[in-house]
Amino acid sequence: DGGITQSPKYLFRKEGQNVTLSCEQNLNHDAMYWYRQDPGQGLRLIYYSQIVNDFQKGDIAEGYSVSREKKESFPLTVTSAQKNPTAFYLCASSLVTGPSYNEQFFGPGTRLTVL
Amino acid sequence: GQQLNQSPQSMFIQEGEDVSMNCTSSSIFNTWLWYKQDPGEGPVLLIALYKAGELTSNGRLTAQFGITRKDSFLNISASIPSDVGIYFCAGLGAGNNRKLIWGLGTSLAVNP
Repeated sequence: DGGITQSPKYLFRKEGQNVTLSCEQNLNHDAMYWYRQDPGQGLRLIYYSQIVNDFQKGDIAEGYSVSREKKESFPLTVTSAQKNPTAFYLCASSLVTGPSYNEQFFGPGTRLTVL
Repeated sequence: GQQLNQSPQSMFIQEGEDVSMNCTSSSIFNTWLWYKQDPGEGPVLLIALYKAGELTSNGRLTAQFGITRKDSFLNISASIPSDVGIYFCAGLGAGNNRKLIWGLGTSLAVNP
């Protein structure tokens, strides 16, 4: 079955440590996205990538970094520079052409807690 | 960043009732998407709308792309307990920056 996987589901880290969240998709989508969700909030875009080896900052990129070395993978690193990293992180992917290219499909999310 | 105005913020209804929620924007959109999110899970796409005036159904769900291109509506008929969750609207304006604009969600509770 095609889909998006994120691992782990729950992640705990000490303050000051960098942590990398995994996102893999087998939908053959060119575009991938990272969002952050806080309680009672909508989704805020961190980074997105439309093609391998290229990515753009979203609305809240400070304190985060990404890489896109493979079409299937788009890992997100939460660095120690992120002031308030505890949140629910969602990865999504989409096509970049065709009638449904705006439709983003989401993984199950990773809940990061920084102690 | 820009956000959509989504209302109501929350709803508590009896099983079997119909539900309506809407999103409005100050700018014109070319695409409207409606998602449902269960607690602790990722959002699931319910309906996608691409044309002004378009009315699309998915089972008991019906969504419309407003004729002004600045709003969209989602209706759920004959609600059931599994409809519980948060419903988000998202829109995409002109241009090709691929950045969806999101509403803050409508939290739906259904009393069996």
